[in-house]
Amino acid sequence: NAGVTQTPKFQVLKTGQSMTLQCAQDMNHEYMSWYRQDPGMGLRLIHYSVGAGITDQGEVPNGYNVSRSTTEDFPLRLLSAAPSQTSVYFCASSYRFGDQYFGPGTRLTVT
Amino acid sequence: GEDVEQSLFLSVREGDSSVINCTYTDSSSTYLYWYKQEPGAGLQLLTYIFSNMDMKQDQRLTVLLNKKDKHLSLRIADTQTGDSAIYFCAERYGQNFVFGPGTRLSVLP
Repeated sequence: NAGVTQTPKFQVLKTGQSMTLQCAQDMNHEYMSWYRQDPGMGLRLIHYSVGAGITDQGEVPNGYNVSRSTTEDFPLRLLSAAPSQTSVYFCASSYRFGDQYFGPGTRLTVT
Repeated sequence: GEDVEQSLFLSVREGDSSVINCTYTDSSSTYLYWYKQEPGAGLQLLTYIFSNMDMKQDQRLTVLLNKKDKHLSLRIADTQTGDSAIYFCAERYGQNFVFGPGTRLSVLP
């Protein structure tokens, strides 16, 4: 199993550009989530999904969209990037009430 | 809302024990977790404890849970340089997790 994979590893965007961060898992986990990590603030939940076709907002959803058309994939879209979205983004997956497994992260810089 | 707090930094000498502390607010948490993050990497699950337990030991790691004070600790015995990392405490809140800010452990030779 590859586990949880994320692409790209690094990305630089200009303010106002859009992009999609990719996340995939091959463990047949129902639950997937996106976090952002900022210094001194731990991980904050952006969006999550409990299964294909079902998504919900987390603590900091503004400026981000998600969709879950398959069990394996959970992309995160930045519609119009802002400098405040400079962060490290982690995708995670688990069985519904199981332990979470994290991807390696995407480091995003918005100038 | 739910909140998890940790001190941000801890330094210990190689061979000593490290104790990383965490407090949480949700008394209905079912599981509490410790994750380790090495530089440039994702989070790795280290261990967890079910809320009806007081202690869990796993090789060099000991987790202590004081439910009355909502206090969780992680003790690493015989700390090595490879233990240098950021350690995150997390509580399960329903289907989601709430993470603390992380404690950066530095191991001095």
